[in-house]
Amino acid sequence: ETGVTQSPTHLIKTRGQQVTLRCSSQSGHNTVSWYQQALGQGPQFIFQYYREEENGRGNFPPRFSGLQFPNYSSELNVNALELDDSALYLCASSLTGAVDTQYFGPGTRLTVL
Amino acid sequence: GQQLNQSPQSMFIQEGEDVSMNCTSSSIFNTWLWYKQDPGEGPVLLIALYKAGELTSNGRLTAQFGITRKDSFLNISASIPSDVGIYFCAGQSGTASKLTFGTGTRLQVTL
Repeated sequence: ETGVTQSPTHLIKTRGQQVTLRCSSQSGHNTVSWYQQALGQGPQFIFQYYREEENGRGNFPPRFSGLQFPNYSSELNVNALELDDSALYLCASSLTGAVDTQYFGPGTRLTVL
Repeated sequence: GQQLNQSPQSMFIQEGEDVSMNCTSSSIFNTWLWYKQDPGEGPVLLIALYKAGELTSNGRLTAQFGITRKDSFLNISASIPSDVGIYFCAGQSGTASKLTFGTGTRLQVTL
C-alpha cells in the first residue's frame, strides 16, 4: 500500500507566473483535499475533489484551481502568483471524505520571489 | 481564513513530564481531531473525537471533546524525546474532509 506522494518537493517561482503541483492518492482513496500552510500557521483548506468533481472550497480566489483524474491523482494550479502564495502546499487523500481515513502527503514548498 | 485558538503556543518540558494543550473555537464542530507534524512532513492523525464529552486515549495520549462542542484538549503523559513536534487541533463540520486547523503548539522536550 503506497502513501500519499507529492511533486515537486520544492519549487521557486516569480510573481505573476503560474504553477502546477501534483499529488498521488493513497491506494484505494477516491477523495483529495488540498491545504495551504503558511510558515508558522496551521493548514488552510483550499478545496476538495471527489470522483473528479470539486466538492467544497475554502476562502481562496479563483486563480487557485484543481483537477482530479480518473486514477484519483490530483493537480493544484495557481495562476498569477503573488508573494503571499509562498507556503507549504499539502495534499490529503481519504476514502469518500472520511477524516479518520485521511492521510497527508509531505507537501510541496513553494517560494514566490 | 479562520483558525482555531491553541494554547500554549510553545512548550519546553523535561523528558518524563506530562503535557497539556487545548484548543478553542467560536464555532461548533461535529468532529475534533489532533495531529502531529514533524519538520518536512505532513500532519499525522493522532486522535479523532466524534461525540461531545468523549474522552479517548491512544497510548500515552488522551484527548477530550468539549461538552459545548467548541473546545478540545490533548494530554501527553510521560513525554519522550520523539514527542517533539508541532501539535495541531482541527475541527470538522459540514463538508466532508474540510478541516479547520488550529494555530499549533510547538513542543520541545529536553533530556
